Amino acid sequence: SAVISQKPSRDICQRGTSLTIQCQVDSQVTMMFWYRQQPGQSLTLIATANQGSEATYESGFVIDKFPISRPNLTFSTLTVSNMSPEDSSIYLCSVGLQGWETQYFGPGTRLLVL
Amino acid sequence: GNSVTQMEGPVTLSEEAFLTINCTYTATGYPSLFWYVQYPGEGLQLLLKATKADDKGSNKGFEATYRKETTSFHLEKGSVQVSDSAVYFCALIMNTGFQKLVFGTGTRLLVSP
Repeated sequence: SAVISQKPSRDICQRGTSLTIQCQVDSQVTMMFWYRQQPGQSLTLIATANQGSEATYESGFVIDKFPISRPNLTFSTLTVSNMSPEDSSIYLCSVGLQGWETQYFGPGTRLLVL
Repeated sequence: GNSVTQMEGPVTLSEEAFLTINCTYTATGYPSLFWYVQYPGEGLQLLLKATKADDKGSNKGFEATYRKETTSFHLEKGSVQVSDSAVYFCALIMNTGFQKLVFGTGTRLLVSP
């Protein structure tokens, strides 16, 4: 498995502001993923982030709202831009090990937008 | 498209009871199957997995068998503990080229002393 950390673990933000979430892995991985878990819901994939290329976004998610960086094989950031209360969720990063079939998740960032 | 269906919760059990959480899937082809667990206030942890038909995944007393004929991957544990209280997610991923994890809606388990 992998040890994955996220910062911040939680935050309370005002609408209209932006928050950048960091994801750090203890080993080099090719594929990193960002998910959103809205209150009481399952996980929805936002985008796939591979080092050295643009992130690939899922339907309903756009780069202007959720810009992603992947500067190296152990680190990625997700920014939630121009936040509204509807963005209140848990944001989780995950990494693909043993190929991309098995994913391991970080502890998540709990975001509340007022 | 591919999908995962889980039994609705919450599932409420007394300590030492037998647990079954049902999971069925729909997929074009033969996916790998996973159970993830989310303890209160935490992220997801991989609990167990199975990559082909008739495989049994097991971990921490939990088991699930990949049943191709019934397209199911039910999670079982013989004797639950209070510490097993969590939300359990069934998920699949196709093994042909890159595909994304598809999650079920999650089943909350509440175990009382």
